Amino acid sequence: GENVEQHPSTLSVQEGDSAVIKCTYSDSASNYFPWYKQELGKRPQLIIDIRSNVGEKKDQRIAVTLNKTAKHFSLHITETQPEDSAVYFCAVRPSGGYNKLIFGAGTRLAVHP
Amino acid sequence: GAGVSQTPSNKVTEKGKYVELRCDPISGHTALYWYRQSLGQGPEFLIYFQGTGAADDSGLPNDRFFAVRPEGSVSTLKIQRTERGDSAVYLCASSPSPTQFYEQYFGPGTRLTVT
Repeated sequence: GENVEQHPSTLSVQEGDSAVIKCTYSDSASNYFPWYKQELGKRPQLIIDIRSNVGEKKDQRIAVTLNKTAKHFSLHITETQPEDSAVYFCAVRPSGGYNKLIFGAGTRLAVHP
Repeated sequence: GAGVSQTPSNKVTEKGKYVELRCDPISGHTALYWYRQSLGQGPEFLIYFQGTGAADDSGLPNDRFFAVRPEGSVSTLKIQRTERGDSAVYLCASSPSPTQFYEQYFGPGTRLTVT
C-alpha cells in the first residue's frame, strides 16, 4: 500500500523566516495531495491542496510544489507568523478508486517572535 | 453552516467494555470517513462510507471494530471488548458528492481512553 514519509518532524523558525516541509510517497499513481494544519486540541483543517496534473499552487503566504517524477511534494510557508505554529500533516490519496487519505506523521512547527 | 460534529468529546471506559462513537457529518455530504489519531501521529484511515454502504473498510484493525451509517447521514463507530491500545482520538470527516470528493472536513474528534 501507499507509504508517506514526512520531514522534518520538528521545525523551529524565527518570525518572518520561511518554513519548508517535505513529504515523499510510494504510489506513483496517487493523484491528490492535501496539507492539513492542526492546532493543539483542535481538528485538522485543510490549508492547501494540489492535484497530480499541477506542479505548483500558491495561496498568499502558502505554496505547495509537486514533483511526480521524484514522488515528493513540499509545503512552503513564507513570512512566518507566530499563529502559524501548529502541527502540519501532508496526506496522499492513493490510486485504486478509494477516497481515503494516507497521512504523514506530522511536522511540529514553532515560530518564535 | 454547521460543521462535522462528534459525540462524546471524551470517553473513558474500562478494558473489555463496549463503546459507541457518533459522527454527524455536514448536511448533504454523502461521503463519510473515520480515522484514528494516536498521540504524535497523523490520522490513520479506518473506514469510508459512500451513502449508506461501507465502500472501503480496509483500515479497521480487527473484527472488534464496526461502523454503520444506516440512513446515509449519521454514523456510529462501535468498538467491542475495548483494549488499552484502542486509546486514541477518533476523527470523523465528511466530503461532498463523489464528483467533489477531494476535500475532507474533519470533526473535533472523540478522545477515547481505555483504562
